[in-house]
Formats: sequence, structure tokens, C-alpha cells
Amino acid sequence: DIQLTQSPSSLSASVGDRVSITCRASQDISHYLAWFQQKPGKAPKLLICGASTLQSGVPSRFSGSGSGTDFTLTINNLQPDDIATYYCQQVDSYPWSFGLGTKVEIK
Amino acid sequence: EVQLLESGGNLVRPGESLRLSCVASGFPFSNFAMHWVRQSPGQGLEWVSAYSAHDGSYYSDSVRGRFRVSWDISKNTFYLQINNLRADDTAVYYCAKSTKKEVPRPCLESWGQGTLVTVSS
Repeated sequence: DIQLTQSPSSLSASVGDRVSITCRASQDISHYLAWFQQKPGKAPKLLICGASTLQSGVPSRFSGSGSGTDFTLTINNLQPDDIATYYCQQVDSYPWSFGLGTKVEIK
Repeated sequence: EVQLLESGGNLVRPGESLRLSCVASGFPFSNFAMHWVRQSPGQGLEWVSAYSAHDGSYYSDSVRGRFRVSWDISKNTFYLQINNLRADDTAVYYCAKSTKKEVPRPCLESWGQGTLVTVSS
């Protein structure tokens, strides 16, 4: 099974900052990676599929990059509404595993 | 508008069974693969199971043999039958809709609000 390692596990940044979350796969998954945002008590929300394709309605300050084993979710101009836990999911090989999450807080 | 509404979660004892339901609306239900993902309290997300008419059913190792997915197209409802429940099955269970009719390489674009299953003696 493919393991995903997300880092950091948590971060604190100021409004307006750029933050980056990395997700490393234990083997090559090409571009088959998704990113989700989950706010407390809510269901996950899909942000990005295919490593870099932003879903409709997702603010353009979110972006995804990477291929193979190393991926990054970047949030430009961090906003208070971005407080959440972010998860990556590899969708290349069954079973489709998730990373452990990165909790983003505002300083 | 796509809507997914889960139900059926409850407090049950170890060894008991439960059937979760996910009623779908706003899209042609049989044209897309559907998935179940769970989240234990305070923990991360765990993919559990998936089904499509195109590919059949898939299960994670941790639930294979105890969980069974099915759907009733006439009711636009996706089910997860959970047997021989264990304490580590305690979680919020979400159903999610893929963008594709095939199960592999999913893109889970829509999620329900989840239903809580608690297993305790």
C-alpha cells in the first residue's frame, strides 16, 4: 500500500502569508493526488484533483503542484477562512490512502 | 445541486450490525462511482469502500469481510452494511461522489455531512 507523509503536522501563520504543505508518497503516483480542506465539525471539501487542477469555486489563492512522489499545496494570502485541516489523498493505487493531515492556524 | 444525506449511525455494542444509508440527489446516481470514507474521533480520514456499476465493489483491508456496499438505484440510495462491529469502527462515516463512473483513480468532489457510528459495550 502507498503511504503518504504530510508535513508539517501543524502550522501557524499570519493573515496574508503564503503557506505551503507538502505531501510525499512512498512510491511514484504520477499526478494522481487530491487535496481536501476540512473545517471543524464539517465534511471534507475537495480543493484540488490531479495534483494541480483547482476545483470550481475554490479561491485562486489555493494552488497545487508536484508529480511523482513530492507534492505541495500552497495557500497565498492566507485568510481567516482558511483555518482548517488539510489532507492529501493518493488516488493512483487501491486502497486510496490519505495523509495524516496538516492543521493550519492563524497567529 | 448535488446533495448526499447519510443516516443510520447509532450507538451499538461490539458484535452488532448496522446499515448506513446515503441518499443522493441532483445527479444521475447510477452514472458515478460512490465511496465511503470514515473518520475516527479526533483522527484523520480513512478510505473504507467504493462501488460502481462499472467496476463493482472495493474494500479496505481493515473492513473486508465485515462490510458490504450496495445500492438501490430506484431509491437513489447507497448503502454500507457493517457487521461484527468493533470498537475501532467508531467513526463518522461519510459517503462521497466521484467525478467518474469508474471506481479507480477517484476524484471525490461531493461529500455528505456524515453519520456517527459509536461502538461501545
